[in-house]
Amino acid sequence: DADVTQTPRNRITKTGKRIMLECSQTKGHDRMYWYRQDPGLGLRLIYYSFDVKDINKGEISDGYSVSRQAQAKFSLSLESAIPNQTALYFCATASSGADLTGELFFGEGSRLTVL
Amino acid sequence: QKEVEQNSGPLSVPEGAIASLNCTYSDRGSQSFFWYRQYSGKSPELIMFIYSNGDKEDGRFTAQLNKASQYVSLLIRDSQPSDSATYLCAALKRGYQKVTFGTGTKLQVIP
Repeated sequence: DADVTQTPRNRITKTGKRIMLECSQTKGHDRMYWYRQDPGLGLRLIYYSFDVKDINKGEISDGYSVSRQAQAKFSLSLESAIPNQTALYFCATASSGADLTGELFFGEGSRLTVL
Repeated sequence: QKEVEQNSGPLSVPEGAIASLNCTYSDRGSQSFFWYRQYSGKSPELIMFIYSNGDKEDGRFTAQLNKASQYVSLLIRDSQPSDSATYLCAALKRGYQKVTFGTGTKLQVIP
């Protein structure tokens, strides 16, 4: 089983619908991140969390919200989906002990299409 | 100006040649730098990280960091078709623990 699991892997929805992408991890890491990837734009940070009570906005948080339900679970919500939120979304984790190495461990991605 | 900039490519090299991938960064507060490899449709995976000026070698891969020039590079020796992927350069600003990615360079190794 994958250490970082994202659900759903693929989702097609309509404009205005509420969507939740879920991420769970078994790595025991306290840091969790949501990125979105678009062709030609690379990976852009949406939100990140260093523990259950610490949630931070990334560079493109507008239109998104997150919930850190437990150390191992970090969910991304689109309250009212719009077509330009069509993208590949990645959850990632990191250990707080990796200050300089900062290695991120990624889930397999969730491909979201908003019609 | 993006914090981390890369040429999008594609960079095409023949099998067995050296592939040279480059990256520049704008924030002098960045302290650690990473190269992730991403195969089409897959998630990124870390192949190298570097935080000291100079070279760091790991097998066929060498990462180079020049903080004065704000420049990071990745050399892949004896390139193989299996190295064909998109290579993402990333920077970490200590104290913020946010990893910022470049847009990636697509590498094609021609058999």
